[in-house]
Amino acid sequence: GAVVSQHPSWVICKSGTSVKIECRSLDFQATTMFWYRQFPKQSLMLMATSNEGSKATYEQGVEKDKFLINHASLTLSTLTVTSAHPEDSSFYICSASLRLLGEKLFFGSGTQLSVL
Amino acid sequence: SQQGEEDPQALSIQEGENATMNCSYKTSINNLQWYRQNSGRGLVHLILIRSNEREKHSGRLRVTLDTSKKSSSLLITASRAADTASYFCATALNTDKLIFGTGTRLQVFP
Repeated sequence: GAVVSQHPSWVICKSGTSVKIECRSLDFQATTMFWYRQFPKQSLMLMATSNEGSKATYEQGVEKDKFLINHASLTLSTLTVTSAHPEDSSFYICSASLRLLGEKLFFGSGTQLSVL
Repeated sequence: SQQGEEDPQALSIQEGENATMNCSYKTSINNLQWYRQNSGRGLVHLILIRSNEREKHSGRLRVTLDTSKKSSSLLITASRAADTASYFCATALNTDKLIFGTGTRLQVFP
């Protein structure tokens, strides 16, 4: 099946720094990727939809200047958490859509961000 | 919030027993999907059921969909300790954007 690779798996950073998370589709081209955020023992909340070659579409309440998304190629989307604060600590998961295989999504393994 | 709700929030059973999880959603859908998540990991797609389908099977999984009640259920038969995970339903309208339910944490004791 299709594989989505997400890096890093975990990151610890100081408050005020920026963190970049990469999401790659390894064996298929993903025109659309999605970024989710998950707090402990809670569900996934969609943050934004990343479209190759165009601006990301953010969900209501998600700060686009805080969470920068770049989808520069059909196999790579990046999420940058700018000026991270402790409340940004969370599990971030990306997913990719491959329309030829139907509507199911392929998920990366997630990134645990801890901001000190 | 468009987020669906699942119940129970947590379920503990013995190996060999069946596990049933329910999902309710709020809007019209194109399809409903079930995903599994092991602790601290990404999600794995289990099964997809379209809005014009009422029941679907995949191995030990059985999914039902009642669009009139906006609800779905996931049945795992003959559960195993390895089935221990969180299970999420997710609904899709006309795009690939999925809205996830609140999840059910399943614990299967050997």
